[in-house]
Amino acid sequence: QKEVEQDPGPLSVPEGAIVSLNCTYSNSAFQYFMWYRQYSRKGPELLMYTYSSGNKEDGRFTAQVDKSSKYISLFIRDSQPSDSATYLCAMSYQGGKLIFGQGTELSVKP
Amino acid sequence: DAGVIQSPRHEVTEMGQEVTLRCKPISGHNSLFWYRQTMMRGLELLIYFNNNVPIDDSGMPEDRFSAKMPNASFSTLKIQPSEPRDSAVYFCASSPQALYQPQHFGDGTRLSIL
Repeated sequence: QKEVEQDPGPLSVPEGAIVSLNCTYSNSAFQYFMWYRQYSRKGPELLMYTYSSGNKEDGRFTAQVDKSSKYISLFIRDSQPSDSATYLCAMSYQGGKLIFGQGTELSVKP
Repeated sequence: DAGVIQSPRHEVTEMGQEVTLRCKPISGHNSLFWYRQTMMRGLELLIYFNNNVPIDDSGMPEDRFSAKMPNASFSTLKIQPSEPRDSAVYFCASSPQALYQPQHFGDGTRLSIL
């Protein structure tokens, strides 16, 4: 079993929809949680960074961490065609390596 | 601010040739990482440097791969001899201090070994 599981999709939604992207993990030591966005032929770009449990909001993006369920989510409100990309979750603990999910491919249709 | 800079962006070469990938991290970042990305395996960490010293190379696939960081602003990843199964996108990333902190990625080198 992989340490971090992420549905690869693809996920296709109409413009304006609310998008929910999720990752589950098995290592209860993980404390640092990140979401990266990767456009085609580009490097991953840091989108959200949270420590421990709770929610973090940045514009149309909200990251949630539920450590009791070992589950993290990224919500995108009012999705736009420019949000079409692959979204990777990543997580770690102090002193440990970042472990990435496989990535979910998102397509937002106009 | 300049981000992580990688060169070349694309490399096509024949099996058996030596390949050298280059990376300039963000100024002031003390940690540098080399990753490989494939459809099958996703993003894999190959090697990690802290303050120019290799800390963990357990992800390097075999002895054909080597990496150096002669100074704080430059690193290379070398494959010799190259094989078709080395075809992938290779990313360099840097972070301010620690392994577990958010990392900033370059745009990668797309490597094709024929």
